[in-house]
Amino acid sequence: GDSVTQMEGPVTLSEEAFLTINCTYTATGYPSLFWYVQYPGEGLQLLLKATKADDKGSNKGFEATYRKETTSFHLEKGSVQVSDSAVYFCALRRGAGGTSYGKLTFGQGTILTVHP
Amino acid sequence: SQTIHQWPATLVQPVGSPLSLECTVEGTSNPNLYWYRQAAGRGLQLLFYSIGIDQISSEVPQNLSASRPQDRQFILSSKKLLLSDSGFYLCACEQETVNYGYTFGSGTRLTVV
Repeated sequence: GDSVTQMEGPVTLSEEAFLTINCTYTATGYPSLFWYVQYPGEGLQLLLKATKADDKGSNKGFEATYRKETTSFHLEKGSVQVSDSAVYFCALRRGAGGTSYGKLTFGQGTILTVHP
Repeated sequence: SQTIHQWPATLVQPVGSPLSLECTVEGTSNPNLYWYRQAAGRGLQLLFYSIGIDQISSEVPQNLSASRPQDRQFILSSKKLLLSDSGFYLCACEQETVNYGYTFGSGTRLTVV
């Protein structure tokens, strides 16, 4: 079945450091890929997405490129801020394939803490 | 755009008591709706999904049930809570445009004591 594997955290960085959170997936066909962010005590918010190979999703300084050859969707940011401290989830959505819903499969989440 | 209302925000319930969590959606019709649970320190587990009124599918066997009495209302219930039911429960709505991901509610923190 589908699965998503994220690098284990927690990740602790100083402000303005470079961030990479690795994400790899296993799925048949051509899934869509997502990064979600969860701030303390809140629900999840869509951060960025990519729907086909070589697409680059970007938002708020974060980027991730859909790499089919390595089945990866690593999240990067050139200069993190304290306000980026949150839990980050990588997720995939396989196409309908006979069903009429799009189940999201999530990774286990990576806790990011940024210090001033 | 879609908005999801989820309540209550926090809940402390004794073991063996019933549960009812409600989720309502605004800004769309006939959405696909989902209940996820996030256990402490772990990822998200899909519990139920619904593609329409009274159409509920369960992903994992458990002590919980779900109902969708109206198009934009999704309810998570239990007759008798277990300690293992503690967690953070999230309702989600799939956006109309395919591949645009989900909109999540703000979640309910359930502690069973």
